[in-house]
Amino acid sequence: EPEVTQTPSHQVTQMGQEVILRCVPISNHLYFYWYRQILGQKVEFLVSFYNNEISEKSEIFDDQFSVERPDGSNFTLKIRSTKLEDSAMYFCASNRPIHYNEQFFGPGTRLTVL
Amino acid sequence: DQQVKQNSPSLSVQEGRISILNCDYTNSMFDYFLWYKKYPAEGPTFLISISSIKDKNEDGRFTVFLNKSAKHLSLHIVPSQPGDSAVYFCAATSYTGNQFYFGTGTSLTVIP
Repeated sequence: EPEVTQTPSHQVTQMGQEVILRCVPISNHLYFYWYRQILGQKVEFLVSFYNNEISEKSEIFDDQFSVERPDGSNFTLKIRSTKLEDSAMYFCASNRPIHYNEQFFGPGTRLTVL
Repeated sequence: DQQVKQNSPSLSVQEGRISILNCDYTNSMFDYFLWYKKYPAEGPTFLISISSIKDKNEDGRFTVFLNKSAKHLSLHIVPSQPGDSAVYFCAATSYTGNQFYFGTGTSLTVIP
């Protein structure tokens, strides 16, 4: 069964450093998302991406964040200058081009900012 | 601004009994609701959904009920099994956007 994959599973970085989190969505999906979950808190929407552009983003997704689909398979989230409060699980998700279809989530990347 | 709320952080149920997980929302524009199940160190997994044109949707042991006037939905698991032990998130979205809003989750423990 196809699945969303994410790498790395755990990323440790120093405050102020740039990180890139990678996702490979399911191949016939056209909508892509990033969410984060700070430990013990709810899953929060960051950004949605369709047709090579951001379609929706939350207040969390400020200028420090960017997303890219550099090729036909990868979907990346870049944090330019990490802060301590960026420490969280980051989940990538994708779904087929039918709006009400459920999103399929990847296993997540745990980001630890020291 | 918490548009989707799960007021019970945890729930314990005996194996074989019914588990009822509750979720409330505030945005009347939401018209599609989903339940996700999450095990530790894994991403959320879709479980069941319901459109606002329905008040009930059933899939095996899982049933979701929607009360639009109360802005409330619930997930019923019957009979509960130890493998159901996980964190359950409800999520909501609207036709005009593709952002999904998640609740804070309810940790379900099914006791053998």
